[in-house]
Amino acid sequence: DTAVSQTPKYLVTQMGNDKSIKCEQNLGHDTMYWYKQDSKKFLKIMFSYNNKELIINETVPNRFSPKSPDKAHLNLHINSLELGDSAVYFCASSRTSGSSYEQYFGPGTRLTVT
Amino acid sequence: SQKIEQNSEALNIQEGKTATLTCNYTNYSPAYLQWYRQDPGRGPVFLLLIRENEKEKRKERLKVTFDTTLKQSLFHITASQPADSATYLCALAPGSAAGNKLTFGGGTRVLVKP
Repeated sequence: DTAVSQTPKYLVTQMGNDKSIKCEQNLGHDTMYWYKQDSKKFLKIMFSYNNKELIINETVPNRFSPKSPDKAHLNLHINSLELGDSAVYFCASSRTSGSSYEQYFGPGTRLTVT
Repeated sequence: SQKIEQNSEALNIQEGKTATLTCNYTNYSPAYLQWYRQDPGRGPVFLLLIRENEKEKRKERLKVTFDTTLKQSLFHITASQPADSATYLCALAPGSAAGNKLTFGGGTRVLVKP
């Protein structure tokens, strides 16, 4: 059984389009995250939700909007896509928002903006 | 600003030897430090967590040390195997008041040759 799943795995789109990435976890975790991994492989946190409440919101363009319909799902919507948005986006989850808990990552969504 | 450094050069090592990776940080006082493994095209996988008041942690062939005076963590893979070839990421976390905001280093790629 897949613990953290993301769809789609690959996303190729043109500049200016709007796209969404979906994430689901079946681990019963309370906290979910979105990370961006750029071409230099640095993994940076974008957002974190705990029980559907936004608790971490890094300096991310407001074209990026997370949405958590329930604590098992965290989707990422991106408006007006730009070339610089090309990256791999990872969803993750953990038991709580405490720092002592490991995070479980999804397989990633490779976004290519042309 | 906070900085986390891992050796960006790949570590080539012979099978059976011990691989030692470093994670140095500045302008940061982490409460926890975590190590993850990332294989190409996959999400990071949690390996070990060490707290600021712990000097050493072990799990099977893996050992992590944490020196808050030197602001450094060492990650050892003993009796390395070709299957250990991957990129290893260190991640620092503040106390629970800041949520589970992990800040990742850039990772070190390890290649174990048979």
